[in-house]
Amino acid sequence: DIVMTQSPLSLPVTPGDPASISCRSSQSLLHSDGHIYLDWYLQKPGQSPQLLLYLGSNRASGVPDRFSGSGSGTDFTLKISRVEAEDVGVYYCMQALQIPYTFGQGTKLDIK
Amino acid sequence: QVQLQESGPGLVKPSETLSLTCTVSGGSISSDYWSWIRQPPGRGLEWIGYVYDSGTTTYNPSLESRVTMSMDTSKNQFSLRVTSVTAADTAVYFCTKIVASGSSDHWGQGILVTVS
Repeated sequence: DIVMTQSPLSLPVTPGDPASISCRSSQSLLHSDGHIYLDWYLQKPGQSPQLLLYLGSNRASGVPDRFSGSGSGTDFTLKISRVEAEDVGVYYCMQALQIPYTFGQGTKLDIK
Repeated sequence: QVQLQESGPGLVKPSETLSLTCTVSGGSISSDYWSWIRQPPGRGLEWIGYVYDSGTTTYNPSLESRVTMSMDTSKNQFSLRVTSVTAADTAVYFCTKIVASGSSDHWGQGILVTVS
């Protein structure tokens, strides 16, 4: 299985400040079709996860442009340009290159 | 807008079979891939598998010997069965719709299943 490792696991942020979450995979997530099969999800407190970014850097429908994704091969980053109170929750990366799909441990973002 | 709703027993005895159904509204299940993901209390997410094309399946190898997924296109539902459950199967179970990238773009609200 591809192992996904996130850091940090806890991220206190002041509203208006930027935030960054790292995700590393044990194997390259680059498919022969040229796409990176890496997703980012946010699970807000008491809710189901919601898709933020797919194929590494594509925002899902309705996701604010303060969220962005980057990276290649095995190192990926989710960036929030200016954190808002509604961004609190647990962020997960997930690889969809290889069966079984696997998730990172999660990064809990909260407001200072 | 596609909506998903899980249903089934919230309590299952050890060694018995967990059975859940996901009812889809706002779209036909015939045209997409559908998955199950679970989350033990206070822990992270585990991908269980997906079903598509009226019954073609792909499972997580770690669960494959105990898991069966199926589709009922007449009811616009898909289902999950996990046999020989133990306390380790206690989790919130989510059903999701998958797009071409493998991403789950729509999720149900989740259903807590306790094995005890």
